[in-house]
Amino acid sequence: AQRVTQPEKLLSVFKGAPVELKCNYSYSGSPELFWYVQYSRQRLQLLLRHISRESIKGFTADLNKGETSFHLKKPFAQEEDSAMYYCALSSIGNQFYFGTGTSLTVIP
Amino acid sequence: EPEVTQTPSHQVTQMGQEVILRCVPISNHLYFYWYRQILGQKVEFLVSFYNNEISEKSEIFDDQFSVERPDGSNFTLKIRSTKLEDSAMYFCASSDVRADRSSYNSPLHFGNGTRLTVT
Repeated sequence: AQRVTQPEKLLSVFKGAPVELKCNYSYSGSPELFWYVQYSRQRLQLLLRHISRESIKGFTADLNKGETSFHLKKPFAQEEDSAMYYCALSSIGNQFYFGTGTSLTVIP
Repeated sequence: EPEVTQTPSHQVTQMGQEVILRCVPISNHLYFYWYRQILGQKVEFLVSFYNNEISEKSEIFDDQFSVERPDGSNFTLKIRSTKLEDSAMYFCASSDVRADRSSYNSPLHFGNGTRLTVT
């Protein structure tokens, strides 16, 4: 069965500090991994996807198939990064499975 | 940029009543979804819809739930007889043309959600 695990429910970092939001997955095939972000009172938005291999708002995430991880990283956190972050896995047929989310707070 | 829109933003209903949550997906999208998020919990898949029929549904999506695309633009979720535990945020999402098995899936585009409160 597909499963996405985000072990940290809450994460607080100081502004300018590095941040890493952890995501591990289990899936028997070749998944596609995404990070979605939900700012206060806003909709879930796509932040990045592993096939793009791009940096969005300073965030990057590398798919590590050996460790079945897709951790989200940013070298210098900003206050505007405070939000809820969801890791998601997409399987064949465009089905998406979400983790429980990590609430990131960046302390000024 | 086109968006998925949902109405109403907040719906309060009494237990046992029927509710219809409405969504207008992005116009050229072909896959439609409903997810829900109970307060403090994760986003849970309810149902996906393609080519005018349900393509997959979760265990949550029992006989009390139904979906419909009545007019080519709206996508609705109906709960026939609401229960207290149906109180949640309900998100509609849509995605682009289905990818081939050899390529990758299109990302979901979410609406702002409808907060359903059952009293």
